[in-house]
Amino acid sequence: GAVVSQHPSWVICKSGTSVKIECRSLDFQATTMFWYRQFPKQSLMLMATSNEGSKATYEQGVEKDKFLINHASLTLSTLTVTSAHPEDSSFYICSAVTGTAIRYYGYTFGSGTRLTVV
Amino acid sequence: DAKTTQPNSMESNEEEPVHLPCNHSTISGTDYIHWYRQLPSQGPEYVIHGLTSNVNNRMASLAIAEDRKSSTLILHRATLRDAAVYYCILRLSNFGNEKLTFGTGTRLTIIP
Repeated sequence: GAVVSQHPSWVICKSGTSVKIECRSLDFQATTMFWYRQFPKQSLMLMATSNEGSKATYEQGVEKDKFLINHASLTLSTLTVTSAHPEDSSFYICSAVTGTAIRYYGYTFGSGTRLTVV
Repeated sequence: DAKTTQPNSMESNEEEPVHLPCNHSTISGTDYIHWYRQLPSQGPEYVIHGLTSNVNNRMASLAIAEDRKSSTLILHRATLRDAAVYYCILRLSNFGNEKLTFGTGTRLTIIP
């Protein structure tokens, strides 16, 4: 099957600092990766779509300067939350897909990163 | 994007079958029906998907209505580990890298 590894699984940071979250596809090359955010008791909200080697496409209302996404290789995408504030505390989830794998594995998700900003 | 409608919550007894409904009355001819589930504090997990015919895999079965305006995810014998939020999502094709848009899903509670 397809496996996506996401790190760290949880992080606590001080207000004003930056945090980087990594998302790796372990056994397949992910042409596209997605980043979601989920607040307690709510559904997943898509933040951005990133394709390897190109700029990410952000959903409406998501600040691109605050949530920096880098997809430098076919197996790694990173999300950096810059100058984090308590309202950025949330569960961040990545997803990876490759065009043909969808037929067999659907979309593969990481295990999520719980970010707490204090 | 075509939308889906699911009950907010359902309960089922352990070791009994569970039928999770999903309405998608505006589905287009090329939309695939995907099901994912999310266990507490985890990322979503792919369950099953189909286009027109019923589908079976090791996790579940997907029954698709003849007019495709509704579908039902069937867990044949629920266990406590099946307690999760189940999402029914429509996707335009069986290839490519389009985004998945999650609705509110159905929170399934399994009663021991």
